[in-house]
Amino acid sequence: EAGVVQSPRYKIIEKKQPVAFWCNPISGHNTLYWYRQNLGQGPELLIRYENEEAVDDSQLPKDRFSAERLKGVDSTLKIQPAELGDSAVYLCASSSYSTGAGGELFFGEGSRLTVL
Amino acid sequence: AQKVTQAQTEISVVEKEDVTLDCVYETRDTTYYLFWYKQPPSGELVFLIRRNSFDEQNEISGRYSWNFQKSTSSFNFTITASQVVDSAVYFCALRRDDYKLSFGAGTTVTVRA
Repeated sequence: EAGVVQSPRYKIIEKKQPVAFWCNPISGHNTLYWYRQNLGQGPELLIRYENEEAVDDSQLPKDRFSAERLKGVDSTLKIQPAELGDSAVYLCASSSYSTGAGGELFFGEGSRLTVL
Repeated sequence: AQKVTQAQTEISVVEKEDVTLDCVYETRDTTYYLFWYKQPPSGELVFLIRRNSFDEQNEISGRYSWNFQKSTSSFNFTITASQVVDSAVYFCALRRDDYKLSFGAGTTVTVRA
């Protein structure tokens, strides 16, 4: 079974440029998460989707970040314009809603963003 | 509010030594779930174990073992007879019934041959 797929793995951009990350979750997983992981820290939730609905986006900086999950499968996270402080690894994860809050999250390898 | 503290930033051991990673959590919820994840250099977080707040049984899986103690709000993780492949960053995480998941800052384990 294929895992969570993310692209690109690495992205280097100059500040004020836009950037987008793509995530394909595990087939059949209703719940999709975007996390941001700063160097030396644990991941922090940006947004959680149940199917195509964003049910928790309280940590998403909405002035420059946006996300969508069309058709409840793939998802895209966009930053426009990027700032120096956005340099981090952006992790996508998915889980099966049927397992509830106790179900484990399956993570992708992440997209490492460097803003110059 | 909930919080996960992993006081050890880095641990370095020689192969075959045992290593214990500490995790202390704070929550006011009565129902919650505790997790350990491993993050190897490739970057992908790999699920290791899950415990719910009503199950204080310790667990052993091969060289891995976990000790959950509600009285001290701790969920410690031990790797017995460590191997070089165990080198990674290990994260403890706490999840509430409303799905909010909080990670600790992680402990970097380096196993030297």
